[in-house]
Amino acid sequence: DAKTTQPPSMDCAEGRAANLPCNHSTISGNEYVYWYRQIHSQGPQYIIHGLKNNETNEMASLIITEDRKSSTLILPHATLRDTAVYYCIVRRAASKLTFGTGTRLQVTL
Amino acid sequence: NAGVTQTPKFQVLKTGQSMTLQCAQDMNHEYMSWYRQDPGMGLRLIHYSVGAGITDQGEVPNGYNVSRSTTEDFPLRLLSAAPSQTSVYFCASSYGGPTTIYEQYFGPGTRLTVT
Repeated sequence: DAKTTQPPSMDCAEGRAANLPCNHSTISGNEYVYWYRQIHSQGPQYIIHGLKNNETNEMASLIITEDRKSSTLILPHATLRDTAVYYCIVRRAASKLTFGTGTRLQVTL
Repeated sequence: NAGVTQTPKFQVLKTGQSMTLQCAQDMNHEYMSWYRQDPGMGLRLIHYSVGAGITDQGEVPNGYNVSRSTTEDFPLRLLSAAPSQTSVYFCASSYGGPTTIYEQYFGPGTRLTVT
C-alpha cells in the first residue's frame, strides 16, 4: 500500500470550506484513495473514494491531482459536527484498511 | 437496518481472564473484520473474514481468535487477557471479498480495560 502523509491538525471556521490535503506520492495505478472520518470515539465513517477522477457525494468532494500523487478532501460548508479525525487511505481494495493518525479537524464558531 | 452492532459497549477484565466480543451485521455483507485502536493511534487490523467458515489474520492477531459460522456474526475471543490488550475494539463489514472497493461500515466499538 502507498504511504500517505497528512497534516496532524487543521482549523476551519464554521460555514467555510474545509480543505484537507493528503500526499501519496508512491501510489500505484490500481490503488484507490479512500477517506474516512472518526468523530470523537465513534467507529470510523466512510466519506468518499476515488481512483482518477474527481468525485462528489452528499458529504464531500474529492479532488485528485492529474499525477495522482496527492488529493484533497473538501467539506464545502463545515459545521461543528464535522469536527473529527480524517483519515486518507490509499489501497487497491477497501478491505484490510490501514489507518494512520490522520488529520484532526477542529471546526470553530 | 441496525447496521453493525457490538456488545458489550464496555468491559473490564482481570489479567488472565477470557471473554468474547460480539459483532453482528444485518446487511448480508460477506466481508467482516476486527480492528483495535489504542489511545492516540490509528486502527490496526486483528482478523478478518471473507465469508462463513473463512477467516485470516491481520496485522496484530496474537492473543485473539475468531470464527465465522454464519454470515451475520463474527465474534472475537480473547484467550487470556493481558493489560496490553486494553483498547477500543471495532468491528466492520462490507460487500464483496478481500478485493472489494466498497466502503466498510463500522460498529460503535467495545471499550476494554484489562487490569
